[in-house]
Order: sequence, then C-alpha cells, then structure tokens
Amino acid sequence: AQTVTQSQPEMSVQEAETVTLSCTYDTSESDYYLFWYKQPPSRQMILVIRQEAYKQQNATENRFSVNFQKAAKSFSLKISDSQLGDAAMYFCAYRSEGAQKLVFGQGTRLTINP
Amino acid sequence: NAGVTQTPKFQVLKTGQSMTLQCAQDMNHEYMSWYRQDPGMGLRLIHYSVGAGITDQGEVPNGYNVSRSTTEDFPLRLLSAAPSQTSVYFCASSYSIQDGYTFGSGTRLTVV
Repeated sequence: AQTVTQSQPEMSVQEAETVTLSCTYDTSESDYYLFWYKQPPSRQMILVIRQEAYKQQNATENRFSVNFQKAAKSFSLKISDSQLGDAAMYFCAYRSEGAQKLVFGQGTRLTINP
Repeated sequence: NAGVTQTPKFQVLKTGQSMTLQCAQDMNHEYMSWYRQDPGMGLRLIHYSVGAGITDQGEVPNGYNVSRSTTEDFPLRLLSAAPSQTSVYFCASSYSIQDGYTFGSGTRLTVV
C-alpha cells in the first residue's frame, strides 16, 4: 500500500521569504499523480499544484513550485514571496494511475510571520 | 457554477442516531468520494464511486453506507452513530483520474 509522509508538523516563515515543505512517499508503481492541497482555517481543501510522475519537468503555479525527485520518491513544495494568506495546513497527496483513492500525508501547518 | 455542495455544515448527533450527509456536484464529474479528517491522520477514504450505480469501499467504510443513483448526488449515511465517528467529513469529485479532486466545504459532525 502506498504511504505519504510529511515529516514537518509545523513550519514558519517570514512574510516575503521562501519556504519549502517536504513530502516523501512510498510506492512500487511507475505511473501516478502527486498533489499539494491547502487547507486554510475556513476548512476548505484547495488544490495548489499537481505533478504527473511521467513528467520530468517540475510543475509551477505562480509562487508555488515543486521539486519532484522520482527516484528518491520526494515531492516538496516551495512557496516564494510568502504572503499572510498562505497560512494554512498543507497536505501532500498521492493518486495511483487508474485508482480512485487519494492517499494523504498528515499535513504541515504553515505560519507566516509579518 | 456551485462546485461541490455539502450539507449540513455542522451536526450534533446522539449515539445510535442515524443521519445522511448530502453531497451534490454540478460539474458532471464521474468520480466522487467521501473522506473523513481526524487530527494528526490526514484524510482517509470512506467510500467512492466511479459513476452512477457504482460504489465501492475505501479505507474506513465500517458504519457508513453510500449510494449513487445520479451523477450529481452522492449521499453518505451513518447507520448508527458512534462517538468514534466524530470527525470532519469531506465530499470530493473529479473529472478524471489525473485531475485533482474538488472538495466540498466539509461537515463537522459531533457524536455525543
């Protein structure tokens, strides 16, 4: 069974600085998808960024980018120019090719210091 | 475009009561799922559906039933509520496997 591990329960960063959230996963599959979700205090789960395992190029969405290392089974999220609105829980998630299930990590709580 | 709509947002039940959490999406998504979120455990899959008339169990299905009579609706039924079912419940849908799920706003359920 696939597992997703986020080893940083909490992180903090100064506003306008850059922060990287870590995620590792365990799988024997070669085709899969990886996601980062943001959960602000409103509780809403918001998709931040996604990565297809067959793509070597790292995904980027505005200030959010990932460092996808397939051999190391690592999928970190970098947030540049952090803003107060980035404060939230961040969840890494894995989805197999052909599978319904999203496997989530335990989450990292990100605090932005003004 | 409402996305994924969950009702109610909050609910308190007594042990042994039954209830249905409603979920509806207007995006014509075939894939729908129910997750529960507990502190320190991320989100865990309860049940899922790949289309109308097709459902299957996820990771933690005990105590819950689902049905999918239409593409739009995917209700979750608690048969006999237990304190262990106190959690936040999320309904989610997606168009395809490679898409990320779109989540509803969640239902906070407390069983006393």
